[in-house]
Amino acid sequence: GQQLNQSPQSMFIQEGEDVSMNCTSSSIFNTWLWYKQDPGEGPVLLIALYKAGELTSNGRLTAQFGITRKDSFLNISASIPSDVGIYFCAGQLRRDDKIIFGKGTRLHILP
Amino acid sequence: DVKVTQSSRYLVKRTGEKVFLECVQDMDHENMFWYRQDPGLGLRLIYFSYDVKMKEKGDIPEGYSVSREKKERFSLILESASTNQTSMYLCAGRGAAYSPLHFGNGTRLTVT
Repeated sequence: GQQLNQSPQSMFIQEGEDVSMNCTSSSIFNTWLWYKQDPGEGPVLLIALYKAGELTSNGRLTAQFGITRKDSFLNISASIPSDVGIYFCAGQLRRDDKIIFGKGTRLHILP
Repeated sequence: DVKVTQSSRYLVKRTGEKVFLECVQDMDHENMFWYRQDPGLGLRLIYFSYDVKMKEKGDIPEGYSVSREKKERFSLILESASTNQTSMYLCAGRGAAYSPLHFGNGTRLTVT
């Protein structure tokens, strides 16, 4: 079945650093989604991407829909303490409306 | 945006109990989903529903059932809770097919 490989699994960074994470798959997706989950909460949608090559920003967050439609990237600029959490990617297939989630990237910010 | 509300944040139940997890969405939309989330396993789809009284099995339906009597409410039922059902349960809704999911805050269930 389809799988998403999300990397890295975890990151330890200093406040103020930029962050990059990505998701790859052997399958082609029609939609890429990025979510953030704070401890003890449900995932919150950050960015939705609908078109190959699309680059979308939400404040300090920027995500891109890979041109091959098999990958997506999320960048966070100038990280701050509230960026701590787990970031999930999800790919959506139009043909069967199936949504596949990555296993998440856990972001830690060192004091 | 769809707002999804899960009635309980934390639940502790005993093995063998029947457990109901309730989820309500505030928009008149059809699609609702139940996931469980476990460390190292990510989000796994249990059941989903595209309309009232309609339900479809997800990837891990065993040990669970669902009820969708009204459009806004989607309940997950554990007929006889077991310790391996200790998990974080997430309900999600969406406004239309192929649109993004919006999640509730989750219910952390512990079965002892």
